[in-house]
Amino acid sequence: AQKITQTQPGMFVQEKEAVTLDCTYDTSDQSYGLFWYKQPSSGEMIFLIYQGSYDEQNATEGRYSLNFQKARKSANLVISASQLGDSAMYFCAIGGNQFYFGTGTSLTVIP
Amino acid sequence: NAGVTQTPKFRILKIGQSMTLQCTQDMNHNYMYWYRQDPGMGLKLIYYSVGAGITDKGEVPNGYNVSRSTTEDFPLRLELAAPSQTSVYFCASSYHRSATNEKLFFGSGTQLSVL
Repeated sequence: AQKITQTQPGMFVQEKEAVTLDCTYDTSDQSYGLFWYKQPSSGEMIFLIYQGSYDEQNATEGRYSLNFQKARKSANLVISASQLGDSAMYFCAIGGNQFYFGTGTSLTVIP
Repeated sequence: NAGVTQTPKFRILKIGQSMTLQCTQDMNHNYMYWYRQDPGMGLKLIYYSVGAGITDKGEVPNGYNVSRSTTEDFPLRLELAAPSQTSVYFCASSYHRSATNEKLFFGSGTQLSVL
C-alpha cells in the first residue's frame, strides 16, 4: 500500500520569495516515482516535477525543485521567486502500479 | 492534440439515476485511472486499468463500475446515484507504470451533482 501525507493545508508567501511545500510518503515498493501537480482555480491538473526513487540528484524544473530525502521518506517541493500565478492547490503524488495523491496544500502568493 | 477527453463536463443527476462518464485517450497509453475530488480535498482513486480487459479497484470503488474493452476507452458507470457521489471526476492515463517517469495525463474533469 502507498500513502502520501501533506500536513500544510494552507501556505502564504510573499511575491519573489521562496516557499517549501512538505510531502511525506510511505510505500512498500522498491521502485516508485514522486510527482507534484498544480491545480489552479480553473481546475485542471498541471504536472510540475518528477523524482524517481533511484535518482540520486534532486529534480529541478525551472523555478521548481524537489528536495528528495529517501531515508526520511520526504519529497518537498521548493518554489523559488514566487509569482502571483503560483497561487493554486499543490498536490504531491506517488506512483507505482497505482497512483495516489495527498490532500493538497493551498498556496497564496501575496503581492 | 486531443490527449485525454472526458464527457460530459457537467451533469446533474437525481438520486437513484444511472449514468456513464466517458473517457478516451488517443496516446496509446496502457494505464488509465479514474479519480474523484471532493471540494477542498485531494484526488481519490476509484478504479484503474493496466491494459485492455484488466481493471482493479482503487481506494473508493463502492458505487462504481468500470470496463476496459479497448486501449482507448475507460468508461466509469454509476448505477444508483447517491448524494455522496457529488464530486469532480477526473480520468487520467499514462503509458507505463508511473515509477518510470511516466506522469499522468489528465482529462479536464466532470462536475457531477446528485440531488
